[in-house]
Amino acid sequence: QKEVEQDPGPLSVPEGAIVSLNCTYSNSAFQYFMWYRQYSRKGPELLMYTYSSGNKEDGRFTAQVDKSSKYISLFIRDSQPSDSATYLCAMIIQGAQKLVFGQGTRLTINP
Amino acid sequence: SQTIHQWPATLVQPVGSPLSLECTVEGTSNPNLYWYRQAAGRGLQLLFYSVGIGQISSEVPQNLSASRPQDRQFILSSKKLLLSDSGFYLCAWNGGGAETQYFGPGTRLLVL
Repeated sequence: QKEVEQDPGPLSVPEGAIVSLNCTYSNSAFQYFMWYRQYSRKGPELLMYTYSSGNKEDGRFTAQVDKSSKYISLFIRDSQPSDSATYLCAMIIQGAQKLVFGQGTRLTINP
Repeated sequence: SQTIHQWPATLVQPVGSPLSLECTVEGTSNPNLYWYRQAAGRGLQLLFYSVGIGQISSEVPQNLSASRPQDRQFILSSKKLLLSDSGFYLCAWNGGGAETQYFGPGTRLLVL
């Protein structure tokens, strides 16, 4: 079993829809949770960063962490074609050097 | 602000040839530096990380090596490339006790 599971998609939705991206994990020691956005042939770009459980909102993006269920989510409201990219979840134990990544979900927003 | 550079952007090399990829970070001092490889359709695999000059930790045994000759410079090398070394190589950094990592633009390597 992988430490972090993420549905690779592809996921295709119409412009303006709410998008929900998810990851599950097995190691309860993870404390920091991140979402990266990666456009084709580019490096990943940090989108959201949360510590422990709870929600964090930044514009159209909301990151949610449920440590009891070992489940994290990224919601995108009012999705735009420019949101089309691969979204990677990542997590890390405090003080560790190794970020553990999900496989990434490829998202397409159709105009 | 901090900036991370990688070069070359794209590289096509024959099997058995040597490799040298370079990563430099600007705007910070004593960063932690990381090399990742991303194969097509797969997640990111951590190859090496460094917490200081001359300090290299290897995550995956392979024919690659890394060096950190200067505080903000990280180099990925190979003496003889294999077909399986093809992929997208990403350098990342963090610092100041932060857990988040910031990635460079990547080098796309094709070994033929």
